[in-house]
Amino acid sequence: EPEVTQTPSHQVTQMGQEVILRCVPISNHLYFYWYRQILGQKVEFLVSFYNNEISEKSEIFDDQFSVERPDGSNFTLKIRSTKLEDSAMYFCASRFLRDSPLHFGNGTRLTVT
Amino acid sequence: QQPVQSPQAVILREGEDAVINCSSSKALYSVHWYRQKHGEAPVFLMILLKGGEQKGHEKISASFNEKKQQSSLYLTASQLSYSGTYFCGTESPSSNNNDMRFGAGTRLTVKP
Repeated sequence: EPEVTQTPSHQVTQMGQEVILRCVPISNHLYFYWYRQILGQKVEFLVSFYNNEISEKSEIFDDQFSVERPDGSNFTLKIRSTKLEDSAMYFCASRFLRDSPLHFGNGTRLTVT
Repeated sequence: QQPVQSPQAVILREGEDAVINCSSSKALYSVHWYRQKHGEAPVFLMILLKGGEQKGHEKISASFNEKKQQSSLYLTASQLSYSGTYFCGTESPSSNNNDMRFGAGTRLTVKP
């Protein structure tokens, strides 16, 4: 069964550095998402992407964050000038249609020191 | 705006039943239910798209009351494998909205 893949599985970075989290959605999916989950807490919506542009973003998704779909298969989340509070599990998800289930990747655990 | 889930946590003995509720202050287009095991990604359980729709999968079923903007997840004769955190996700009817927001989750623990 096709899967959403995320790399790396764990990223450690120093405060103030930039990180890029990578995702390969399922190939025929049209809608892409990034979510964040601080340890043991809720799954927070960050941003959705459709038709090569951002369709929705949350209040969390400020100028520190950006997303790209550079080559038609990868979907990246860039976090600039990381802060301690950015430490969390970041999940990428994709789906074929709006009425379809979300398929989640296994996540990237980001640790900011 | 994210939906509100209740209860926050449930502890059951194997074979007991549970109900998890999800409500929204906004009109809903759909309700999704996912289960997350510790250290893993959320896994899809079911979608409800129409008001009054009910779905079932083995001993897990759900209902969607569009008028009340509520959904409930029913777990009957619970098994140890049902343990995990259950999230409902909701979307509004606007075709421009593409933001699946999740409730805070309900932690279900099934004990032998």
